[in-house]
Amino acid sequence: QKEVEQDPGPLSVPEGAIVSLNCTYSNSAFQYFMWYRQYSRKGPELLMYTYSSGNKEDGRFTAQVDKSSKYISLFIRDSQPSDSATYLCAIGAGGSYIPTFGRGTSLIVHP
Amino acid sequence: EAQVTQNPRYLITVTGKKLTVTCSQNMNHEYMSWYRQDPGLGLRQIYYSMNVEVTDKGDVPEGYKVSRKEKRNFPLILESPSPNQTSLYFCASNRGGADTQYFGPGTRLTVL
Repeated sequence: QKEVEQDPGPLSVPEGAIVSLNCTYSNSAFQYFMWYRQYSRKGPELLMYTYSSGNKEDGRFTAQVDKSSKYISLFIRDSQPSDSATYLCAIGAGGSYIPTFGRGTSLIVHP
Repeated sequence: EAQVTQNPRYLITVTGKKLTVTCSQNMNHEYMSWYRQDPGLGLRQIYYSMNVEVTDKGDVPEGYKVSRKEKRNFPLILESPSPNQTSLYFCASNRGGADTQYFGPGTRLTVL
């Protein structure tokens, strides 16, 4: 079992929909949680970063962490065609560790 | 502008011909990493470096070499490339293990 599991999709939704993207992880030592967005032919860029359980909101994006279930989510409200990209979760244990990435979920928002 | 640069962006080569992909960052970051990205497999770490002259293997180091002689540069070397190393490669840098990683634009390598 991989340390971080993420459904690759693709996930196709109409414009304006609420999108839910998810990752599960197995290592209880993981302490920080990130979501990266990767457009086609580009490198990943950080979207959201959180240390703690609960919700963190930034505009249309909300990151949710449930450490007891080892489950993280990214919600996108009022999705736009420009949100079409691959979303990767990245989870790490702090200190000198490099984060472990999920496989990424491909999201398509159609007009 | 803070950035990670990689060169070349695209490379087609033949089996066994040594190549180097360069990576440079201008953010004075301690950590640098190399990843490969393949369909269905996601981002897999090849090597990482925590400082000058300090490198360590990631998940898929076989067939690759790295060096970190200067803080800003972290080249990836393929001594004898094979077709299974055809992939999209990303270099990344960050201040520390728990810090945001900044990725380069990617190098698409094809080994014939």
